[in-house]
Amino acid sequence: KNEVEQSPQNLTAQEGEFITINCSYSVGISALHWLQQHPGGGIVSLFMLSSGKKKHGRLIATINIQEKHSSLHITASHPRDSAVYICAAAPQRSGNQFYFGTGTSLTVIP
Amino acid sequence: IAGITQAPTSQILAAGRRMTLRCTQDMRHNAMYWYRQDLGLGLRLIHYSNTAGTTGKGEVPDGYSVSRANTDDFPLTLASAVPSQTSVYFCASSDGQINEQFFGPGTRLTVL
Repeated sequence: KNEVEQSPQNLTAQEGEFITINCSYSVGISALHWLQQHPGGGIVSLFMLSSGKKKHGRLIATINIQEKHSSLHITASHPRDSAVYICAAAPQRSGNQFYFGTGTSLTVIP
Repeated sequence: IAGITQAPTSQILAAGRRMTLRCTQDMRHNAMYWYRQDLGLGLRLIHYSNTAGTTGKGEVPDGYSVSRANTDDFPLTLASAVPSQTSVYFCASSDGQINEQFFGPGTRLTVL
């Protein structure tokens, strides 16, 4: 059983579409981390949040602690957004242990 | 050096050989981590270090060892490589625990 589940696993969108990627987790957490993995393999941090909402450019991340759920939204999607998006949950009192989802593979078609 | 680097980029290794993957960061982060990434599985923590001189075991530590002699370097050693250790290995660092992590470019290791 994976403590972190992401949906969908794969997503194809037309350029300009609004995209939502979901992350659900089964344990109480201290924080949730959204990461982007480029086709070349590099991993970049997008957001770290423990409540509410954060926005950076066209990316928005929200978290609902009571429902154990987070979403990553991409507005006005672009082909350069094509990547794997990974969420990672830090359980309370876990020290350094993050539980990682298996990722959502996004392809944005021109 | 800018950020976090790993070496080598890729390696093919015969089973039974010893191998050290190198990781160096110049951000003066206290915490460093080693993960492996396998197809269909999320990133899994192998070992971590909260500060120079200390290390801890993660989810999948067997067959791996680490050391943290100083703040910048966190090498991962496979004492006797086995084919199941074929994976992509990522090193990461953060400024304290449960903070945003910065990842290296990864090392693709194949054990034959």
